[in-house]
Amino acid sequence: DAEITQSPRHKITETGRQVTLACHQTWNHNNMFWYRQDLGHGLRLIHYSYGVQDTNKGEVSDGYSVSRSNTEDLPLTLESAASSQTSVYFCASGDDTDTQYFGPGTRLTVL
Amino acid sequence: QKEVEQNSGPLSVPEGAIASLNCTYSDRGSQSFFWYRQYSGKSPELIMSIYSNGDKEDGRFTAQLNKASQYVSLLIRDSQPSDSATYLCAVNPRGSTLGRLYFGRGTQLTVWP
Repeated sequence: DAEITQSPRHKITETGRQVTLACHQTWNHNNMFWYRQDLGHGLRLIHYSYGVQDTNKGEVSDGYSVSRSNTEDLPLTLESAASSQTSVYFCASGDDTDTQYFGPGTRLTVL
Repeated sequence: QKEVEQNSGPLSVPEGAIASLNCTYSDRGSQSFFWYRQYSGKSPELIMSIYSNGDKEDGRFTAQLNKASQYVSLLIRDSQPSDSATYLCAVNPRGSTLGRLYFGRGTQLTVWP
């Protein structure tokens, strides 16, 4: 069955370190998205991609970057982790009906 | 401003009752509408999508869309304790890039036995 996976599921890191969160989907979807979810803010879009070599900034992209070298993967990199980036991160992939399917999430703690 | 508003709740209903969840959106030209369910500590799970005015039924769930009034609702019939979760409304506004959704903050539903 097609699926979307994220790794690691839990991560603790220190301020200033570079962190990469992986997202892999086997739906063969062109669209992929990264969100963060915090109490009081709901889901906020970080970056998204509509295909290989395509990346776009969302509403909270500062301090984050993505690259898309193939259809299946969209890794999210925190260039220099900050305590404000402690959050739950969700990756999603989507088809041309605007429907999005979410991965299980990564809980990131920045100390 | 592309806003999606939901009553944060909590909404509490007894088992077997109808739970009604509401969502309003600011962009009159919005095209696609979705309801997601999110259990505590889990990821959002798609329940329903709706694109045209009217009702769409799937089992115990009915999504209702009224574009003139700019609201979309989700009815859960014969509510069960297992329906206790946060329900997220998501909208793709007119002019938004393909596939990009704007989410409300969610309504927390509790179904008590």
